[in-house]
Amino acid sequence: DQQVKQNSPSLSVQEGRISILNCDYTNSMFDYFLWYKKYPAEGPTFLISISSIKDKNEDGRFTVFLNKSAKHLSLHIVPSQPGDSAVYFCAFNSGGGADGLTFGKGTHLIIQP
Amino acid sequence: NAGVMQNPRHLVRRRGQEARLRCSPMKGHSHVYWYRQLPEEGLKFMVYLQKENIIDESGMPKERFSAEFPKEGPSILRIQQVVRGDSAAYFCASSPGVQETQYFGPGTRLLVL
Repeated sequence: DQQVKQNSPSLSVQEGRISILNCDYTNSMFDYFLWYKKYPAEGPTFLISISSIKDKNEDGRFTVFLNKSAKHLSLHIVPSQPGDSAVYFCAFNSGGGADGLTFGKGTHLIIQP
Repeated sequence: NAGVMQNPRHLVRRRGQEARLRCSPMKGHSHVYWYRQLPEEGLKFMVYLQKENIIDESGMPKERFSAEFPKEGPSILRIQQVVRGDSAAYFCASSPGVQETQYFGPGTRLLVL
């Protein structure tokens, strides 16, 4: 059973425009939500997170939005830069002592010049 | 401040051999997590450890896999009698405490011939 879905395996965006990555989840126990970025042959790099008590968190060019009623998480990157080309994973944590993250399959973001 | 260290970065084993993967957490982090990533998949949680204790091993295969995080030294993920299906990237992450952001190492790419 897939608790987390990233429905777009890839996304192509022109440099300078906004990139929007989406993630849907089914587990209502998730209470902490994260985005990681991954380059080939490297480990995931933490980008930004949001707790279930908020609906928006910003950090520079990155903004994460949480819609709890729709069980939907999104990441906005604006303006998009060539170095943003990578695979982006959403990840979720339900706490309660079981601290392993549940990851989506990832979206490959390609920023075109 | 060094990040999470993993070694080896690449490991080749023949079927039936043992694989030992090492992870040194970030300085000041006492929580370690192991994840596995199969090709074209997201990361799957395997096990969560604190010093000398396994907290959650719900993602570990029942046989051949074991993990430890001794009082001194790195965390070890051990795979006995490897099979081709064990070929994957294995990532370690660490955090300073419960439900805090996890920071990932570069991974060990295991290839079973």
